[in-house]
Amino acid sequence: GESVGLHLPTLSVQEGDNSIINCAYSNSASDYFIWYKQESGKGPQFIIDIRSNMDKRQGQRVTVLLNKTVKHLSLQIAATQPGDSAVYFCAENIGSGAGSYQLTFGKGTKLSVIP
Amino acid sequence: DGGITQSPKYLFRKEGQNVTLSCEQNLNHDAMYWYRQDPGQGLRLIYYSQIVNDFQKGDIAEGYSVSREKKESFPLTVTSAQKNPTAFYLCASSSGDTQYFGPGTRLTVL
Repeated sequence: GESVGLHLPTLSVQEGDNSIINCAYSNSASDYFIWYKQESGKGPQFIIDIRSNMDKRQGQRVTVLLNKTVKHLSLQIAATQPGDSAVYFCAENIGSGAGSYQLTFGKGTKLSVIP
Repeated sequence: DGGITQSPKYLFRKEGQNVTLSCEQNLNHDAMYWYRQDPGQGLRLIYYSQIVNDFQKGDIAEGYSVSREKKESFPLTVTSAQKNPTAFYLCASSSGDTQYFGPGTRLTVL
C-alpha cells in the first residue's frame, strides 16, 4: 500500500482564514518531501519542499512543517484565497540511492474556500 | 506547467487501438516520468527514464511502452493490452529530487 496518506480528504475554510493540510508518512527513511497543488483538469503544481534535516520551511503565504518523530507533514496556507481552492497532495522520496528520484504520492486533500 | 508540454489535451481511443501520448520538455532535465491518475487515487508511476536511451518500468507498466531517443521527449504508447486505459496521464521531468509536471492528457476509451 501507499506509504503517504492524508488525515482529511476534504477541507472547507472561510476566505481569509488560515488552512492546514496534513499528511502522514510511514517510511522513516524518507529524506525529501514535496507539496503539490492540483486544480481541476490540470497538472500538479509545485508549491514547496522540505528536506529531512529541516523542521520548517516558509514560502510565500505557505509554510511546511515536518515532524519526523511522528512522521507527519503539514502545509499551512495563510490568508486563504478563493484561488487556493484545489486538491493538495504530498509526496515523499525515500532517497534509496544516488539518482533515485522516485516519489510516492498521497491521494490528496480537496481544499474549498468559502467566499 | 513551466516548460513541459503534453499533447493532445484530450484523446479518444477505440478498443483495440494503440495510441501515443506526447511529452516534451525544454528544461534540460535528465529524468522524465509518466504517471497515471485515477479519481480518488494518488499518482501511480508507469515508466521513468533517467537518461537518454534508458528507461525503467514503474509500478503499473503492463500495457504501456515508452521510448527516450531524445533528452527533450518521452512519448508514452498505450497499447491494446492495457485493459482499463481511461485515465488522466501526467508527464513530469526533474534534474534532481523535484519533479515538475505537464498539463496532462485525458484519455477516454470509447
